[in-house]
Amino acid sequence: EDQVTQSPEALRLQEGESSSLNCSYTVSGLRGLFWYRQDPGKGPEFLFTLYSAGEEKEKERLKATLTKKESFLHITAPKPEDSATYLCAPGGTGANNLFFGTGTRLTVIP
Amino acid sequence: DAGVTQSPTHLIKTRGQHVTLRCSPISGHKSVSWYQQVLGQGPQFIFQYYEKEERGRGNFPDRFSARQFPNYSSELNVNALLLGDSALYLCASSYGTGAEKLFFGSGTQLSVL
Repeated sequence: EDQVTQSPEALRLQEGESSSLNCSYTVSGLRGLFWYRQDPGKGPEFLFTLYSAGEEKEKERLKATLTKKESFLHITAPKPEDSATYLCAPGGTGANNLFFGTGTRLTVIP
Repeated sequence: DAGVTQSPTHLIKTRGQHVTLRCSPISGHKSVSWYQQVLGQGPQFIFQYYEKEERGRGNFPDRFSARQFPNYSSELNVNALLLGDSALYLCASSYGTGAEKLFFGSGTQLSVL
């Protein structure tokens, strides 16, 4: 059975305090691991897709990495505007549906 | 270019009623997916449609149905509403049906009283 677990559920950081978010997954036939950002009352916004273990992608203060069982979203020197819920979603062999985790709610305090 | 548009943005219904939610995909995208997001949870897959055909269905009861029109827009219908159907309903579009990134609309917030 496909499973995805994100930790921590919530994270409070001081501005400039770097940290990492974790996404552990069990998906048969992984066809991509997706990271999204979601602001309150809005739909998820695409950040990254990772396809194979060892792959890394960066965007501004965010860097995503992938192993065979986990993905990490590293946030370097975060700013208050990085406050959001970060969702990971492995894509399996079924139709183009993504299996979302419950997310990590990040708050960056000025 | 316009993103994915959904209507209405908010909706209040009572138990037992029926609701129709609408979605227009990004121009050129042929696939529309529907997700339900309950407060505090991640989005849960309901349906995917591609070229007017259902390509995938999540673990939702038959009260949920959808269709896609020739212009690739889509409707999600929910019959016999229950309190537990209260959620944010998200529509996402993509070009194809593979594991590719989805572009989400802002959703329809449905409240069932």
